[in-house]
Amino acid sequence: EIVVTQSPATLSVSPGERATLSCRASQSVGSNLAWYQQKPGQPPRLLIYGASTRATGVPARFSGSGSGTEFTLTISSLQSEDFAVYYCQQGSSWPAFGQGTKVEIK
Amino acid sequence: QVHLVQSGAEVKQPGSSVKVSCQASGDTFLTYPFTWVRQAPGQGLECVGRIIPILRKPKYAQKFQDRVTITADTSTSVVYMELRSLKSEDTAVYFCARDRAPYLDVLTETFNPSVMDVWGQGTSVIVSS
Repeated sequence: EIVVTQSPATLSVSPGERATLSCRASQSVGSNLAWYQQKPGQPPRLLIYGASTRATGVPARFSGSGSGTEFTLTISSLQSEDFAVYYCQQGSSWPAFGQGTKVEIK
Repeated sequence: QVHLVQSGAEVKQPGSSVKVSCQASGDTFLTYPFTWVRQAPGQGLECVGRIIPILRKPKYAQKFQDRVTITADTSTSVVYMELRSLKSEDTAVYFCARDRAPYLDVLTETFNPSVMDVWGQGTSVIVSS
């Protein structure tokens, strides 16, 4: 079973600043890595799939990179609506989510 | 545009069972994987099991193997998840989610990776005596 680990658990960022979130897989998943955003009381929303492809309607300030075991989600300039919890998920084998990174207002 | 509409909240006694439904609209049902994902209060996301309706063979996470049954009714485009022998630790919101692509890439004849792009609204299941 592939385990997915995210860091940090919490990221404090000021509006307009850049946020960088990390995700590591216990073994290579190639580019089969997705990122989701979740706000309180809502289901997750797909942001990025294939490690770097933005889902339909996702703003260009969200970008994903990486392959193999190391991945990054970057939010170039945080907007108020971006403060949320972000999960990565590997889809190479049995789908597994990381434990999440909460992006909070500094 | 596909939408997933789940059944309403449930309150159950420990040891009982719950069955949650997920109605899919649109015509892309048979070949798309559906996953049940749960989220305990204040916790992260956990996959319970998956089914590809046309194949009718579900797969389950090992920790739920003995207690869960996932089925798909192809005539009504509804996916079900039944969880038995409920414990307080099963208190969670249960989401159904559909993959963004069919399970098989017909051009390459390989399985597509799991990417969940359509989600139901979630069903709260509370297990309490």
